[in-house]
Amino acid sequence: QLQLQESGPGLVKPSETLSLTCSVSGGSISSNLYYWAWIRQPPGEGLEWIGSVYYTGSTYYNPFFQSRVSMSMDTSTKQISLRLSSMTAADTGVYYCARLFSGWLYWGQGLLVTVSA
Amino acid sequence: SYVLTQPPSVSVAPGQTARLTCGGNDIGRKNVHWYQQRPGQAPVLIIYYNSDRPSGIPERFSGSNSGNTATLTITSVEAGDEADYYCQVWDNVSDHVMFGGGTKLTVL
Repeated sequence: QLQLQESGPGLVKPSETLSLTCSVSGGSISSNLYYWAWIRQPPGEGLEWIGSVYYTGSTYYNPFFQSRVSMSMDTSTKQISLRLSSMTAADTGVYYCARLFSGWLYWGQGLLVTVSA
Repeated sequence: SYVLTQPPSVSVAPGQTARLTCGGNDIGRKNVHWYQQRPGQAPVLIIYYNSDRPSGIPERFSGSNSGNTATLTITSVEAGDEADYYCQVWDNVSDHVMFGGGTKLTVL
């Protein structure tokens, strides 16, 4: 069964760059059927798509994050990475990794990231 | 960008039917997916391709999509259905994912 596990720091200082990793097990990461997405959820708020990466390495970003986001994937380690620069308190929230297949999402459990000095 | 509009909250008594809407311009031409998110948990897919149910999702959950509104219908609502519900579409031209703002379902 597919499992997605987010990992990274739970606490980031303002102005720093967030680096998260999503480890994929129980399924292929390099199939042309799938995109891999990052979504975040601020406390008490809704879901925000940050961006997606395709197995070719092509990336697609939410314009809101375009200027400070970077995603990539490593098929040898079956990991997807997210980098989000210039973090502020407004970036606090749960960050989810998800597989995008035919338009719908299969989610990891999420990782809480807090931005605070 | 494409906007999906959901009512912030819907309340329903146990045993009744809840109808949660997701509005968007000509959304009937798109595939809409629905997620249930209980407090402290990750979202779970409950309806895909407008009206299909993943295995393990009760038949009480159904979906429809036409015109400018997609609807998630929950019949015989139970206390355990109390959660946030999100609609979502994928634009296969821009490869962008879009979510509605979510609806909090309260079971009275």
